[in-house]
Parts: sequence; structure tokens; C-alpha cells
Amino acid sequence: DAGITQSPRHKVTETGTPVTLRCHQTENHRYMYWYRQDPGHGLRLIHYSYGVKDTDKGEVSDGYSVSRSKTEDFLLTLESATSSQTSVYFCAITAGVSDTQYFGPGTRLTVL
Amino acid sequence: AQSVTQPDIHITVSEGASLELRCNYSYGATPYLFWYVQSPGQGLQLLLKYFSGDTLVQGIKGFEAEFKRSQSSFNLRKPSVHWSDAAEYFCAVAPNAGGTSYGKLTFGQGTILTVHP
Repeated sequence: DAGITQSPRHKVTETGTPVTLRCHQTENHRYMYWYRQDPGHGLRLIHYSYGVKDTDKGEVSDGYSVSRSKTEDFLLTLESATSSQTSVYFCAITAGVSDTQYFGPGTRLTVL
Repeated sequence: AQSVTQPDIHITVSEGASLELRCNYSYGATPYLFWYVQSPGQGLQLLLKYFSGDTLVQGIKGFEAEFKRSQSSFNLRKPSVHWSDAAEYFCAVAPNAGGTSYGKLTFGQGTILTVHP
């Protein structure tokens, strides 16, 4: 599982509230990613990081921000949650030697 | 921009039958290619990947995939399906490049596999 954990695993929140999801890795990987999964869309990249304090936008970044102040943690923040952000969120890392992307267990977020 | 198409949303096969899941991609050059599997309520597990070299790649659980450059395809196959193969399968591509674009996956919509006994 490449030592990836996500917290919380489940969250229910109300429209307009801020939400932060955490991805934690224990193996010092440089690259980290946040995806959302929705039926009929597969997984879509939200934001990614290529080092501490180095982040960039993905395909569906509107309404999301990220931060990476240390190698092991990559935070995804919904500043003001909307119902369209109800989804399953996956964190991933890329292991450099084999270029393989490993995924965390996911966080199911429901915005009412 | 790169894109991935999995034409079959849902496929049903009988246990023991052969399986082929289709994947077509659009990309300016040869990308890195992947197949992932997701069981209900679970995360994604890598089945196999193609970076270069032999166009027929072997993966875990008896799966294989063939890269066909002329058809921009990377179809997944298994000669005999087991009931435990029932899951959702995703094809994905990543830029064949380093730097800040490294590892950015673009996924297809997924194919749900149902296996009948």
C-alpha cells in the first residue's frame, strides 16, 4: 500500500463549510496527487505536488486548494463546500524507481 | 490534451470465459499506459503497465495487455475469468516525460465487469 493513509475516511458536511482532507505518506516520496472519483468519469486529477511547497493544478481544480509544508503530508481544502464536490477523494504517490502510482484508501465526502 | 476512452461501460461474462476490455487513448506521443482494478468500496490496484519495449505486457492475477501504436489502443485480456475478477477496471495514461508533469494520470471512465457463475 506504499504507506499512504487518508483522513478522515468518511465525512458529511454542509454546503458552505470549509473542509480539509489529509494525505499522509511514510516513504518520503516526492510526487503526490489528489484525484476525485465520480460515476461515469473515472478519476480526475485535482491538484498535484512535485515537492515541498511546489504544487500545481490538475484537470478539475476549481473550488479546491492544496498545501504541502512537509514531504509526508499533502492537504486538500475545499474553502466552501458545494454539493457538486460530493465525491470519493483519492490521494496517490508515484514511486520513482518503478514509476508506479499507488493510491490511498480514499475519503468519501458528502456535502448536504 | 491527452484523453482515454473505454468504450464499454459494463461487460458481463461467464466464469471461465475469455475477457477483453478495450482502451483507446489520444496523445501526441507514446504515453505511459496503465490498467488499474477497483473492487467495490476499495482503492485502486495496479494490474500492469507499459513504458517501452515488448508491446505485450504481463500483469498480476493472470492479466495481460497489448499496446498497439497504430490503433492507439491498450486492451486488457484474460484467457479465463474467475468470479473474483468482478470489479471495475480503469485504463490510464501518463505523459512520457519527467519534470513537473511526471505521473499525472488521465483515466478512462471505467468498465464494470460482472462475472456469471
